[in-house]
Amino acid sequence: EIVLTQSPGTLSLSPGERGTLSCRASQPITNNYLAWYQQKPGQAPRLLIYGVANRATGIPGKFSGSGSGTDFTLTINRLEPEDFAVYYCHQYGTSPQTFGPGTKVEIK
Amino acid sequence: EVRLVQSGTEVKKPGESLKISCQASGYSFSHHYIGWVRQMPGKGLEWMGVFYPGDSDTRYSPSFEGQVTISADKSTNTAYLHWRSLEASDTGIYYCARLHIPYAFDMWGQGTMVTVSS
Repeated sequence: EIVLTQSPGTLSLSPGERGTLSCRASQPITNNYLAWYQQKPGQAPRLLIYGVANRATGIPGKFSGSGSGTDFTLTINRLEPEDFAVYYCHQYGTSPQTFGPGTKVEIK
Repeated sequence: EVRLVQSGTEVKKPGESLKISCQASGYSFSHHYIGWVRQMPGKGLEWMGVFYPGDSDTRYSPSFEGQVTISADKSTNTAYLHWRSLEASDTGIYYCARLHIPYAFDMWGQGTMVTVSS
């Protein structure tokens, strides 16, 4: 199965700063089927990005995804208090699908 | 409006069986995979498997194959996750989610908390 590794494990930032989150796959992702989710405490995950770089419905432009092959990035511009959460990458191009371990974005 | 509504909190003993549900509405249930995701206490998301109601195609993670059964009833637009014999390590929150290719898991249920304790 494809193993996803996310770094850093925790990212400490101040409101207004930019966050850069990494997701690395153990083998190339088929069809660029790489997604990012945000999860806040006590809530279900929410889809942010699908197909590497496409924002889901209702997701603001400060969230952007990029990458190809085995290396992918989620960038969050101008962090606001509601953006502090855990972010997961997910590959859905090859079965079994897999999630990364998550990156926690915390207030510095 | 697309919605996934899951069944409520469960508290069970080791060795007991359990089936939790996920009722879908607002879209064509037969034409999208529905998946299950586990989140153990304080931990990350784990992909368990997916089921396609249209033809009953089922895919499991090797970590969960043989431990759970995923199924669905097209007549009630409901997906199920079934355990024959629970273990304490099955404690966690279980989410169902619609897999809408190429949009990934674009809609999630609210989660079902399962606690297994003697």
